[in-house]
Amino acid sequence: AQKITQTQPGMFVQEKEAVTLDCTYDTSDPSYGLFWYKQPSSGEMIFLIYQGSYDQQNATEGRYSLNFQKARKSANLVISASQLGDSAMYFCAMRGTSGTYKYIFGTGTRLKVLA
Amino acid sequence: GAGVSQSPRYKVAKRGQDVALRCDPISGHVSLFWYQQALGQGPEFLTYFQNEAQLDKSGLPSDRFFAERPEGSVSTLKIQRTQQEDSAVYLCASSLVALLGGGFYEQYFGPGTRLTVT
Repeated sequence: AQKITQTQPGMFVQEKEAVTLDCTYDTSDPSYGLFWYKQPSSGEMIFLIYQGSYDQQNATEGRYSLNFQKARKSANLVISASQLGDSAMYFCAMRGTSGTYKYIFGTGTRLKVLA
Repeated sequence: GAGVSQSPRYKVAKRGQDVALRCDPISGHVSLFWYQQALGQGPEFLTYFQNEAQLDKSGLPSDRFFAERPEGSVSTLKIQRTQQEDSAVYLCASSLVALLGGGFYEQYFGPGTRLTVT
């Protein structure tokens, strides 16, 4: 069975500092994709970054980077230079490729950026 | 351009009533997903459509839940005889291409329908 674990229910970070949101996963699929989404209070899920299990390099998208450690089955999101607008819920998600269409989401981390 | 839209945004139903939730995906998007998000939880997969074909309905919690996408565009999630445990936000997402094997397929989410069953 596939599972995503996010152990930090809430995090605080000072504006302009970097923050790491943890995500560990479990899957028996040899190939899979890992995703991070942001969900502001408005409710809409916003895609941030993607990492394929066979990608050699860690994914980066602007201020977002994904620290992918395959052996540890972790896919932590790093947000650099935090902004007040980064305050939101963040979800880690995964999709295996062995005939499944399911995306599995974690329980989320609520990030609060302090001025 | 227009994103994914859902209606109604809020729905209050008395226990036992039937409800229908609508999703308008981005025009031309082949893949469509429904998710259920309980308070304080992450989204849970309900079902997946590729055009009009429902290829995966393994996440539907009971036979009271039914989804359709008859013309491969608009989709409706119907819940019969609603129960209090059905109270949640129902999210719809669409993706441009069909979900095949590996690779990256960005999902575009709608704002959700918040269903409250009293």
